[in-house]
Amino acid sequence: EDKVVQSPLSLVVHEGDTVTLNCSYEVTNFRSLLWYKQEKKAPTFLFMLTSSGIEKKSGRLSSILDKKELFSILNITATQTGDSAVYLCAVSKEETSGSRLTFGEGTQLTVNP
Amino acid sequence: DGGITQSPKYLFRKEGQNVTLSCEQNLNHDAMYWYRQDPGQGLRLIYYSQIVNDFQKGDIAEGYSVSREKKESFPLTVTSAQKNPTAFYLCASSIRHRSYEQYFGPGTRLTVT
Repeated sequence: EDKVVQSPLSLVVHEGDTVTLNCSYEVTNFRSLLWYKQEKKAPTFLFMLTSSGIEKKSGRLSSILDKKELFSILNITATQTGDSAVYLCAVSKEETSGSRLTFGEGTQLTVNP
Repeated sequence: DGGITQSPKYLFRKEGQNVTLSCEQNLNHDAMYWYRQDPGQGLRLIYYSQIVNDFQKGDIAEGYSVSREKKESFPLTVTSAQKNPTAFYLCASSIRHRSYEQYFGPGTRLTVT
């Protein structure tokens, strides 16, 4: 059975802290790993990772994938209150009936001023 | 403007009633998806459709039904057989076989009492 596990499930930090969110997976026919940010409503796309060891960066956010150890991390440096959200990890796979995503439980990040 | 619309934003129903959630997209995407999200949890796939007149069960299809008569529309019916229907429901779409590029609607919050 496919599995995507995120840790921690929740995290409370102060503004300015650096956080690391983890995502491990066991999925057949792996294609790519994605990170989303969800603030109350629809998830918004952050990163897609397909190759091992290549860091993706966007401002204070960065992410890397390890396909050998089957995990990814999402780093957020100098956190701000606006970073408070649920961060979702998802794995894309190919199936005979078409491609689909499998999501983890999410990490609830709270950044206090 | 291209995008995905879901209506209504909030929906209240009495136990034992079927209810249909609307999802429409004008992105010309072939593939559409329905997810359920419970508090503190990630997204779980209910049904997905790669082309018109075809759809597949996701991980938690019991108690739900869908139809895909038009490319733009993928309505989800929550039947009385669904034991715990109260949840946040998200619809998404993508180019066929590119589930890693899903665009999400704003969601419908269904409360059944």
